[in-house]
Amino acid sequence: GENVEQHPSTLSVQEGDSAVIKCTYSDSASNYFPWYKQELGKRPQLIIDIRSNVGEKKDQRIAVTLNKTAKHFSLHITETQPEDSAVYFCAASKGSNYKLTFGKGTLLTVNP
Amino acid sequence: DAGITQSPRHKVTETGTPVTLRCHQTENHRYMYWYRQDPGHGLRLIHYSYGVKDTDKGEVSDGYSVSRSKTEDFLLTLESATSSQTSVYFCAISESSLSGNTIYFGEGSWLTVV
Repeated sequence: GENVEQHPSTLSVQEGDSAVIKCTYSDSASNYFPWYKQELGKRPQLIIDIRSNVGEKKDQRIAVTLNKTAKHFSLHITETQPEDSAVYFCAASKGSNYKLTFGKGTLLTVNP
Repeated sequence: DAGITQSPRHKVTETGTPVTLRCHQTENHRYMYWYRQDPGHGLRLIHYSYGVKDTDKGEVSDGYSVSRSKTEDFLLTLESATSSQTSVYFCAISESSLSGNTIYFGEGSWLTVV
């Protein structure tokens, strides 16, 4: 089955700096790659996703890049703010049933 | 919130007792999922459903069963709860759009087995 590895497990940045979280996947047939943000005690919330027919997608301060050849994708957050502090999860799926395989998460701390 | 409601939100139960968690959705989505979340493991798929009476196993299905007798309800049952099933359980739905499907999660059910 699919295996998704996520790095780093913790990331601390200063407010205004950029943050990058990287994920690799094992199944070359995977074609959907969402990113979720989870605050303590809350549900995972989708922040951005990318499908295998594009290489990059941006939404304001958040961007995701996908390298299908290398089987990795990354989340980029620019101009970080304290409210960006949370756990971020990457995931991958293939086919029409959208069963997600998740990475183990990255705890991002943005220091004021 | 994609119209997903989980119940109960919090439950403490004793080892060996049966427990059923309910996921209810109001928007007629075909696909529904149950995930569990544990420290150090992220979220892992337990079971999913692709229609009424159509279900399949995920990666951590042992000790769990599911049922979907109506489009709007997806039930997760622990037949005989064990301490290893203490976890946070998230229901999810797959929402269709022109660009593809997107997965949204419910608010979670915190289960403690003592």
